Amino acid sequence: QQQVKQSPQSLIVQKGGIPIINCAYENTAFDYFPWYQQFPGKGPALLIAIRPDVSEKKEGRFTISFNKSAKQFSLHIMDSQPGDSATYFCAAMTTDSWGKLQFGAGTQVVVTP
Amino acid sequence: DAGVTQSPTHLIKTRGQHVTLRCSPISGHKSVSWYQQVLGQGPQFIFQYYEKEERGRGNFPDRFSARQFPNYSSELNVNALLLGDSALYLCASSLGQGEKLFFGSGTQLSVL
Repeated sequence: QQQVKQSPQSLIVQKGGIPIINCAYENTAFDYFPWYQQFPGKGPALLIAIRPDVSEKKEGRFTISFNKSAKQFSLHIMDSQPGDSATYFCAAMTTDSWGKLQFGAGTQVVVTP
Repeated sequence: DAGVTQSPTHLIKTRGQHVTLRCSPISGHKSVSWYQQVLGQGPQFIFQYYEKEERGRGNFPDRFSARQFPNYSSELNVNALLLGDSALYLCASSLGQGEKLFFGSGTQLSVL
C-alpha cells in the first residue's frame, strides 16, 4: 500500500514556467515532509522540507505548500530553468521512525529552453 | 567535506550469487539507512542502523541483511540473488533519529 501518492507522473514546462507537483498522504502520524531531486545515475538530493506546523516554506526558487487538513502538500519551482530537469520525489516520515522515509513514485520534470 | 560514499558504483551478478554493498556515512553521522530503488519508482526502505543496532526494517525477505561497524560505516548483504533484486541500492546517513537524510549516489546492481 503506497502511503504517499504523487502526481503527475511527468510534466513539461517552458523555461520560466512554474512546475507544480502534488502529494497526498494517509498516515496522520507523519510529521516531516521532504522533497528530493534526483538526476540520472545519482542519488536523491534533499531540496527542501517542511513540518506540519507551517503552511508554506520557501528556499530559493523552491516553495512547499502544506495543507494539514487535506493531508496534501506540493512543490512549486519558480522561474524554472533547463537545469531543473530531473525527477522529483516527495516523501514523508515520522521523526521517531529512525530514517524510514516513505517516498512517492516520483515526477519527471522537463524544462525546455 | 565528503558526502555519503558507496562502493562499488556498479555490479553485475548472476542469479543465486551473494553480494555485499558498502557505505561510508558523512563524518559525524551515526545513523545509516539502506533503500532499494527499482527503475521508475521511488526508493523503498530496507534497513536503518544507529550505533550499530538495527532500528528499523522494511518489508524485505531474510535474504537481505545488514550491519554497522564501530566507525559507523555499513554493509548491506543480499543472498541468493534473484532477477528482481536488480536495482539501485542507496545508502543514506543522518546525525540521528528524526534528522535529515543525505543519500549517496548508490550502487547499481544488475542480476543476470
